[in-house]
Amino acid sequence: QSVLTQPPSASGTPGQRVTISCSGSSSNIGSNTVNWYQQLPGAAPKVIIHTNNQRPSGVPDRFSGSKSGSSASLAISGLQSEDEADYYCEAWDDSLNGLLFGGGTKLTVL
Amino acid sequence: QLHLQESGSGLLKPSQTLSLTCAVSGGSISSGYYSWSWIRQPPGKGLEWIGYIYHTGSTYYNPSLKNRVTISLDMSNNQFSLKLSSVTAADTAVYYCARRVSDDSGDWRFDLWGLGNLVTVSS
Repeated sequence: QSVLTQPPSASGTPGQRVTISCSGSSSNIGSNTVNWYQQLPGAAPKVIIHTNNQRPSGVPDRFSGSKSGSSASLAISGLQSEDEADYYCEAWDDSLNGLLFGGGTKLTVL
Repeated sequence: QLHLQESGSGLLKPSQTLSLTCAVSGGSISSGYYSWSWIRQPPGKGLEWIGYIYHTGSTYYNPSLKNRVTISLDMSNNQFSLKLSSVTAADTAVYYCARRVSDDSGDWRFDLWGLGNLVTVSS
């Protein structure tokens, strides 16, 4: 069981807005920044949000990130079939002195 | 454009040592803005950070793997390596090498990944 808790699955129809949560604690999300990665089937992960809410060049503005206290969220608006993938949050943990990934959320576009 | 490519053992027996190398092309691993990392993903499961190394040679390891892991740099060949000793079936996974980059605020993220190398541990 991951220290960073994500729902195992999420779904939406094309055009909808979907939110994926990542819940942690004061030693990780509460005191460090959060990154989000998208992993398409059979591919390596790719960063889509870094430093809580920053989008790398080339990532559509349909993707947004936020953080409040010890939780973070990834929102995807205008859902498209190509967004069907696994999504992972990531943060450093000061107590464990190590890097953590959430357990991952499988997003299905219905 | 910088590329990362993993290579190494694909099939191991329990108790053997896993050995993987990540060749970096299109850029130098000696830059101070990056750290060089290993991450693994068991089949059908999530990502697990293994550790990373800075250009200085300083290393950080996942506490749960620390006793079995060694990450090293090979500046002359522009590559870095992973060794994981005493493997068991639980170490079966796709192993990714990745670059971790820091921005002006000192926050880090994995910005480049290799394609991954499947390692299977089976007797």
